[in-house]
This record gives sequence, structure tokens and C-alpha cells, in this order.
Amino acid sequence: AQTVTQSQPEMSVQEAETVTLSCTYDTSESDYYLFWYKQPPSRQMILVIRQEAYKQQNATENRFSVNFQKAAKSFSLKISDSQLGDAAMYFCAYSQDSNYQLIWGAGTKLIIKP
Amino acid sequence: SAVISQKPSRDICQRGTSLTIQCQVDSQVTMMFWYRQQPGQSLTLIATANQGSEATYESGFVIDKFPISRPNLTFSTLTVSNMSPEDSSIYLCSVEQGPPDTQYFGPGTRLTVL
Repeated sequence: AQTVTQSQPEMSVQEAETVTLSCTYDTSESDYYLFWYKQPPSRQMILVIRQEAYKQQNATENRFSVNFQKAAKSFSLKISDSQLGDAAMYFCAYSQDSNYQLIWGAGTKLIIKP
Repeated sequence: SAVISQKPSRDICQRGTSLTIQCQVDSQVTMMFWYRQQPGQSLTLIATANQGSEATYESGFVIDKFPISRPNLTFSTLTVSNMSPEDSSIYLCSVEQGPPDTQYFGPGTRLTVL
């Protein structure tokens, strides 16, 4: 069975600096998708970034980028120029191609220090 | 991405009662999902609701406790029946839209059962 592991329950970073959140996963499949979602205190789950496993190029969305290492089954999220509004729980998730079910990590709480 | 709304945003209920949560999407979608997020936890899928068919429930969730309706392609309801304090959670609906296997979430309903 697929699993997703986020080993950092909490991370903190100074405003304007860069932080990397870790995620590893376990699967025997070759086609799948990986996601990072953000959940601020407002509780809405917001899609941050999406990566297709067949693409070698790392996905980027403005200040957010991923380091996707397929062989190592690692999918870390880098947030550059951290802002106060980035403070939230960040969840890593996995979805097997053509299978709707998302497998979730336990989440990492990101604290931004002003 | 779709704009998703949920009603109510929060509620406090007495044990033994039932609450129906509504999820409205601003565009037609095939697959809608209902999740539960217990305090400090990640998301757990309750069921998948496709229009025109019975909802598909995940292990540990039953229709008698969590009846779901999906009358059309833009709307779904989840009822939490015969509530107990253990049902206190955030309930989120999501839809699959756009890039394959990508889910977008509603703002969630925070339920407290006394």
C-alpha cells in the first residue's frame, strides 16, 4: 500500500528566508501525482503545487518549488522569501494515476517569525 | 479551478441529533468527495459521490451514519446522523477538476458536538 511520510511535525523560518519541507512516499507504481496542500487557520485546504511523476522537471509556482527525486521517492517543497501569510499546515499527498484517492501525510506546521 | 462553498461554516450540536452539510460548486463536476479531519489530524476520506449513483463509502464509514445525496452535477450533501462528541471534526468536500487526479476543496464545516 502507498504511504506518505512527513517527518517534520513543525518548522519555523524567519520572514523573507527560505524553508524546505520534507516528504517521502512509498509506491510500486510508475505513474502517479504528488501534491502539496496548504491549510491556514481558516481551515480551507488550498492546492499549492502539483507534480506528475513522469515529468523530470520540477514544478514551480511563484515562490513555491519542489525537488522531486523519483528514485529516492522524495518530494520536498521549497518556499522562498517566506511571508507571514505562508504560516499554515502543509500536507503532502499522493495519487495514483486514474485512482482518485489521495493518500495524505500527517502534515507539517510552518511558523513564520516576523 | 472551481469555486466551492459549504454550508454551514460551523455549528454546535447536541448529541443524538443530525446535521446536514451542503456543498455547492460553481461548475459541473463528475466526482465529489467528502472528508473528515479530526482535531490535529490529516484528512480521512468518508465517501465518493458521483451523480446518478450511490455514494461509495470507505472502510469504517457507513451509509446509515453518513448518508450522502448527489442530486446533480453541482451539489451534494453529507448528513452526520445520531451525533456523538467523537463526530466533532472539520468536514470538507472536494471536487476533481482540471489536471487529472487534482482535487480542490471547499472551505470546510467545523462541527462541535456537545
